[in-house]
Amino acid sequence: NAGVTQTPKFRILKIGQSMTLQCTQDMNHNYMYWYRQDPGMGLKLIYYSVGAGITDKGEVPNGYNVSRSTTEDFPLRLELAAPSQTSVYFCASSYSAQLYEQYFGPGTRLTVT
Amino acid sequence: GQQVMQIPQYQHVQEGEDFTTYCNSSTTLSNIQWYKQRPGGHPVFLIQLVKSGEVKKQKRLTFQFGEAKKNSSLHITATQTTDVGTYFCAGSPPGNTGKLIFGQGTTLQVKP
Repeated sequence: NAGVTQTPKFRILKIGQSMTLQCTQDMNHNYMYWYRQDPGMGLKLIYYSVGAGITDKGEVPNGYNVSRSTTEDFPLRLELAAPSQTSVYFCASSYSAQLYEQYFGPGTRLTVT
Repeated sequence: GQQVMQIPQYQHVQEGEDFTTYCNSSTTLSNIQWYKQRPGGHPVFLIQLVKSGEVKKQKRLTFQFGEAKKNSSLHITATQTTDVGTYFCAGSPPGNTGKLIFGQGTTLQVKP
């Protein structure tokens, strides 16, 4: 199993550009998550999904959108990129809710200038 | 909203010294998980605590969950250079949401 994969690894965007961060898991997990991690900070939940077709906002959803058309994929869309979105983005998945560990992807390092 | 606070933010120790990080939640948690993130890497699950007062050990690591299920700690005995990284606690609020609230993390540096 590849686990959780994310593309791209690195990206530089200009202010106002848009992009999609890709996330795929091959563990047949129902739950998927998007976090951002700013330097010296913990992980902040952006959006999460409990299954295909179901998504919900986390702590910091503004400026982002998600979709979940399949169990495997959970892309994160950035519209009109701003410098405040410079961060490391992690996708994670888990089999079910609370009592299951989350498996993280390797992350995407995004810089908006 | 619910917060999970973690202290200290940074800790530098000499190899062989002990290390402890503390995690406190503003409200009662259903369970707490601990993750380790190596420099430049992604968080990796270490352990989960569910019961009030629970204590679990993994070799030199000891994890505790408070009686009120609002705090937790991770203690490393006789640190090694391989222990370097950032340790995060992450709490699940009540209700079967699947969401975790992460603490800010404690970054451990170990001097050989």
